[in-house]
Amino acid sequence: QAQLVQSGAEVKKPGASVKVSCKASGYTFTAYFMHWVRQAPGQGLEWIGVINPSGGSTTYAQNLRGRVTMTRDTSTSTVYMELSSLRSEDTAVYYCARALTPTAWFDPWGQGTLVIVSS
Amino acid sequence: QSVLTQPSSTSGTPGQRVTISCSGSSSNIGSNPVNWYQQLPGTAPKLLIYSSNQRSSGVPDRFSGSKSGTSASLAISGLQFEDEADYYCAAWDGSLSGWVFGGGTKLTVL
Repeated sequence: QAQLVQSGAEVKKPGASVKVSCKASGYTFTAYFMHWVRQAPGQGLEWIGVINPSGGSTTYAQNLRGRVTMTRDTSTSTVYMELSSLRSEDTAVYYCARALTPTAWFDPWGQGTLVIVSS
Repeated sequence: QSVLTQPSSTSGTPGQRVTISCSGSSSNIGSNPVNWYQQLPGTAPKLLIYSSNQRSSGVPDRFSGSKSGTSASLAISGLQFEDEADYYCAAWDGSLSGWVFGGGTKLTVL
């Protein structure tokens, strides 16, 4: 069955960048899109963007455009989400989630990666 | 401030039926299907309902979804203690060209 395993927790200083990975297994990597969603402490879910692992095309949420970059490595079935110019408000758990199309439901989700931004 | 509006909390007793509402607009719920996710404490969200009323694999038929106009609902019948979780609705928004979520509803089973 499909499984998504994410990289470990990160602590970063304001202004730095963070790169989170999401390794897929149990399915054809290039046949599904990969979304990123984040959840600030005690808050709801926020969509970050989506990448097509087949061609590498991306769509980002308007409020993060310019600071977020999603890439993929088809040789290792891994997608990456890099967020730059980090601020304290970026402290959150970041999830990857698979979808058949950009507008289809998310299933499954990765276990989440905690990113803490603190001086 | 979330684009989709959900009640922040609801509660019920074992065996009872509860519903969680999700209100949106013509650019999201009004023109696209709604998905529901369950998030148990300390875990990642899990798909519960997709395409407004389809149960994900392994989800008990106690859970059901519906959509009408710019609103959607999740109903849970025969409430069990294990249903205590946060529930989120989500829909694609054509105007924003992105996904929008509700703020989440915390379900407490008393």
